[in-house]
Amino acid sequence: KQEVTQIPAALSVPEGENLVLNCSFTDSAIYNLQWFRQDPGKGLTSLLLIQSSQREQTSGRLNASLDKSSGRSTLYIAASQPGDSATYLCAVNAGGGNKLTFGTGTQLKVEL
Amino acid sequence: SAVISQKPSRDICQRGTSLTIQCQVDSQVTMMFWYRQQPGQSLTLIATANQGSEATYESGFVIDKFPISRPNLTFSTLTVSNMSPEDSSIYLCSVEGRREGGDTQYFGPGTRLTVL
Repeated sequence: KQEVTQIPAALSVPEGENLVLNCSFTDSAIYNLQWFRQDPGKGLTSLLLIQSSQREQTSGRLNASLDKSSGRSTLYIAASQPGDSATYLCAVNAGGGNKLTFGTGTQLKVEL
Repeated sequence: SAVISQKPSRDICQRGTSLTIQCQVDSQVTMMFWYRQQPGQSLTLIATANQGSEATYESGFVIDKFPISRPNLTFSTLTVSNMSPEDSSIYLCSVEGRREGGDTQYFGPGTRLTVL
């Protein structure tokens, strides 16, 4: 059974700092991995999607990497802003019906 | 992308009662998903609902406790039956979708349920 773990569980940083969120998964046979952002009362928004054959994806200040063999992914946020404050979830798609297994989440707070 | 709405957005219910949550999407989709997010926890898939067939439940979830309807390609309901305080959670629906790079899911805003 796929298990997805994220560290740290919570993170508080001053504005402008670069930061890294970590995600690990137990079964490397994945179809893709996504990073989502969850804001209170607004559901989840997909930020980046990395196919199993890819090493990284970038969108603006966000960069996600994937090392399938070691079961790890990182989300790098450059020059953090207070608007980045949210819970970040990684989710693994093992294939077969678009079924996602979510990580435990990292609650990020960026302070002025 | 898809725009998804859920009703109610939140509710406070008494033990032993049932609550039906509605999920409406602005386009036709084959697959819809229902998740539970318990306090401080991540999302756990309850079931996958395809139009025209019975929902497929994940291990630990049963139809008697979480009956699901899927009458058409834009709508689904999840009922939480005979509620107990342990059912206090956020319930989210999602639909299949595509984005750059592959398959994804689009999520509704969630229903925050508190059971007293």
